[in-house]
Amino acid sequence: QKEVEQDPGPLSVPEGAIVSLNCTYSNSAFQYFMWYRQYSRKGPELLMYTYSSGNKEDGRFTAQVDKSSKYISLFIRDSQPSDSATYLCAMSGVQAGTALIFGKGTTLSVSS
Amino acid sequence: DAGVTQSPTHLIKTRGQQVTLRCSPKSGHDTVSWYQQALGQGPQFIFQYYEEEERQRGNFPDRFSGHQYPNYSSELNVNALLLGDSALYLCASSVRRGAGTNEKLFFGSGTQLSVL
Repeated sequence: QKEVEQDPGPLSVPEGAIVSLNCTYSNSAFQYFMWYRQYSRKGPELLMYTYSSGNKEDGRFTAQVDKSSKYISLFIRDSQPSDSATYLCAMSGVQAGTALIFGKGTTLSVSS
Repeated sequence: DAGVTQSPTHLIKTRGQQVTLRCSPKSGHDTVSWYQQALGQGPQFIFQYYEEEERQRGNFPDRFSGHQYPNYSSELNVNALLLGDSALYLCASSVRRGAGTNEKLFFGSGTQLSVL
């Protein structure tokens, strides 16, 4: 079993839809949870950064962490064609510094 | 404000050769990490440099080595290239916050390495 599991998709939705992206993990030591967006031929861009359990909202994006279920989610409201990208979840333990464990990424396509 | 810059953007090498990739961190950042991203996979941690020393290392062989300069810029060197080394190599910079703490990473656009 991999430490971080993420459905690679692809996921196709119409413009304006609510998108739900998810990751599960097995290592209970993970404390920091991140979502990155990666456009084709570009580096990952940090979208959301959370510590421990709970919700965090930033504009159209909401990140949720459920440590009891070892499950994290990213919701995108009112999705736009510009949201079409690969979304990577990443996580680390308290001692891990910059050694993040990434999921494989989910490819999202939003059609106008 | 310049972000993380990497050079070159693309590189083609043959098996057995050696390669050097370069990275300049975001202004104000003092820590550089390197990641390898194979096609269709998430990035994998190679190592981290801070104060010109390797501080953390992932599960990569000694063929992968690095360096950090006093101006915080960094190099990734790979010796005896294998076909399996073909990947996007990403540099990420951050501000050191002390042992036992997570740091927010900002990535460059990467160097696409093809080994033939």
